Amino acid sequence: GAGVSQSPSNKVTEKGKDVELRCDPISGHTALYWYRQSLGQGLEFLIYFQGNSAPDKSGLPSDRFSAERTGGSVSTLTIQRTQQEDSAVYLCASSSQIRGEKLFFGSGTQLSVL
Amino acid sequence: AQRVTQPEKLLSVFKGAPVELKCNYSYSGSPELFWYVQYSRQRLQLLLRHISRESIKGFTADLNKGETSFHLKKPFAQEEDSAMYYCALGTGTASKLTFGTGTRLQVTL
Repeated sequence: GAGVSQSPSNKVTEKGKDVELRCDPISGHTALYWYRQSLGQGLEFLIYFQGNSAPDKSGLPSDRFSAERTGGSVSTLTIQRTQQEDSAVYLCASSSQIRGEKLFFGSGTQLSVL
Repeated sequence: AQRVTQPEKLLSVFKGAPVELKCNYSYSGSPELFWYVQYSRQRLQLLLRHISRESIKGFTADLNKGETSFHLKKPFAQEEDSAMYYCALGTGTASKLTFGTGTRLQVTL
C-alpha cells in the first residue's frame, strides 16, 4: 500500500502568513509524529499523536504552532504568522505504536518563508 | 529528560576504510535504540534497531548500557554508504523517538 503522504511538497510563503501542512499516515497506524528538519539542528520533535490519547505537544516551539489529527487519521500542522526561522523541512511519520516498531516517514514539506 | 548526542556533524572516510558513527544517549529507563538513514533525495528510513541485533548493509551497532552508547560500525565503507545518519532513542511504552542531530557520512575514493 501507499506510504506516508505529505502535501504540499514545497511551500513558499511570505512572512506573517499562515500555512497548513498535511500528513496522511499509513492506514491502521495509530501513532503519528511531526518533526522539523533543519541544517545543523537535526530532527526536532514537534508533536506526537497516539490513538485517542491527548497529544504530546511538548516539542512545539511557540503558540504559533498547532496540530490536529482528525478521525485518528489525517493530520494538519498549522503555523500562524510565519517567521523566517520557521523555514525548514517538516516531516511526518507514522507507526503501529508497538514498542520498538519502526517509524515510516513521509517525504516532507519544504517550507520557505520569505 | 532523554537526549541523544551525535558528536560529529560530518565524517569523511575513504572507500574501504572502517566507519564508526558515534551515538551516546541519556535515559534512566530501559532504552530502545535505532539508527535511521537518509540517502540523497530519499526518505528517512530505518537502518537497524538494537533489539534485532542484525547487520544491515554491513552495518552493526551494539548497545552498551555501561557507556550509554550505540555506535554504528562498518568494517569497509562503500560509496553508496554516503548519507545522513541519525541515532534515535525510544522511551516509554509509546515509543516516542528522540533523534540526535545527525552525522553526514561522506565516502570518497
